[in-house]
Amino acid sequence: AQSVTQLDSQVPVFEEAPVELRCNYSSSVSVYLFWYVQYPNQGLQLLLKYLSGSTLVKGINGFEAEFNKSQTSFHLRKPSVHISDTAEYFCAVSERGNKLVFGAGTILRVKS
Amino acid sequence: NAGVTQTPKFQVLKTGQSMTLQCAQDMNHEYMSWYRQDPGMGLRLIHYSVGAGITDQGEVPNGYNVSRSTTEDFPLRLLSAAPSQTSVYFCASSYSHFSGANVLTFGAGSRLTVL
Repeated sequence: AQSVTQLDSQVPVFEEAPVELRCNYSSSVSVYLFWYVQYPNQGLQLLLKYLSGSTLVKGINGFEAEFNKSQTSFHLRKPSVHISDTAEYFCAVSERGNKLVFGAGTILRVKS
Repeated sequence: NAGVTQTPKFQVLKTGQSMTLQCAQDMNHEYMSWYRQDPGMGLRLIHYSVGAGITDQGEVPNGYNVSRSTTEDFPLRLLSAAPSQTSVYFCASSYSHFSGANVLTFGAGSRLTVL
């Protein structure tokens, strides 16, 4: 069965600095990969997804993620963060035809 | 287009009480699911449904019941609430689950406290 590990529970960063949120997964078959974002007191919304094709995926709000099959990773990056990016970010994996499994989440705190 | 609507947003229960969390979607989505969110544990799947009349258990189903009598509604029932069920509950739906390429649409959440 698939599983997801988000390596950092919290990531503090100053405004306009770059950020990387790390995600590793385990699965014995091909997977689909997702990043969701949860702003305070809201539900989750899709940030980006990898289904197939190019390993570099661009999402909303300037975020991108790179699928690395050999390292079973799907790290999320942004070259310059804003205060409004403060949120909790969830990595998720789905084996084809199966349910979605979420990681524990990473809280991104952007400081001015 | 309302998306996924959850009610109530907040609820306080005493141990042993029962209640139902409501979830409705107006997108004609085939797949609906309930997750609970606890600090440091991410979202864990409670129950899910792939269509009207069909439900199945997720990762943490104990203490919860569901039914899917219509495509639009997927209520979650707590028959005898316990403090361990204190959590934030999210309903989520998608057009189809079979491809595995689930893009879930989430409701705003229901915060439940069991005393």
